[in-house]
Amino acid sequence: AQRVTQPEKLLSVFKGAPVELKCNYSYSGSPELFWYVQYSRQRLQLLLRHISRESIKGFTADHNKGETSFHLKKPFAQEEDSAMYYCALSPLTGGFKTIFGAGTRLFVKA
Amino acid sequence: DAGITQSPRHKVTETGTPVTLRCHQTENHRYMYWYRQDPGHGLRLIHYSYGVKDTDKGEVSDGYSVSRSKTEDFLLTLESATSSQTSVYFCAIAQSGISTDTQYFGPGTRLTVL
Repeated sequence: AQRVTQPEKLLSVFKGAPVELKCNYSYSGSPELFWYVQYSRQRLQLLLRHISRESIKGFTADHNKGETSFHLKKPFAQEEDSAMYYCALSPLTGGFKTIFGAGTRLFVKA
Repeated sequence: DAGITQSPRHKVTETGTPVTLRCHQTENHRYMYWYRQDPGHGLRLIHYSYGVKDTDKGEVSDGYSVSRSKTEDFLLTLESATSSQTSVYFCAIAQSGISTDTQYFGPGTRLTVL
């Protein structure tokens, strides 16, 4: 079964500390992988996607095919990073059915 | 924000009543989606549309129906609302529907079924 697992419901770190939000997936094939973010009182929006190999707001995500993981990392967390983060996958075929994880709420303390 | 609006933004209704939520887009995107967001479950796909009059079921479609008579509007109907359908509902759009396509989300509708 296709599934995205985010093991941490809540992650709390101090400002300036490194942060890693974990994401593991179950999928028989090579999916496209995304991280979406929802800041307080804002819409859910794309943070980054694997295919772009991009770094947005200092965040990067590495796809480990062997471990079927797509963890999101940032070396120095900022207070404005506090938000709800969702990992998602989209099958490379029939890709219009994106599957989301349950989300991790990141809280960055001053 | 992409041109996506949802109405109403908040609604309280009673068990057994019909409810219709509307998603309107001005981007002329082909694909439209309805999700529900619940604690511990994240976003789950209810129904989606890949064109006018073309819709299909998602992961949690029981108790919901949809219609898309125009490119810009995607309606979600709860024929007889139940308390388990209390949730936040998000509409999303995508241009092409391919796997790498970004989804753009509406502001959400908070529905409470008493």
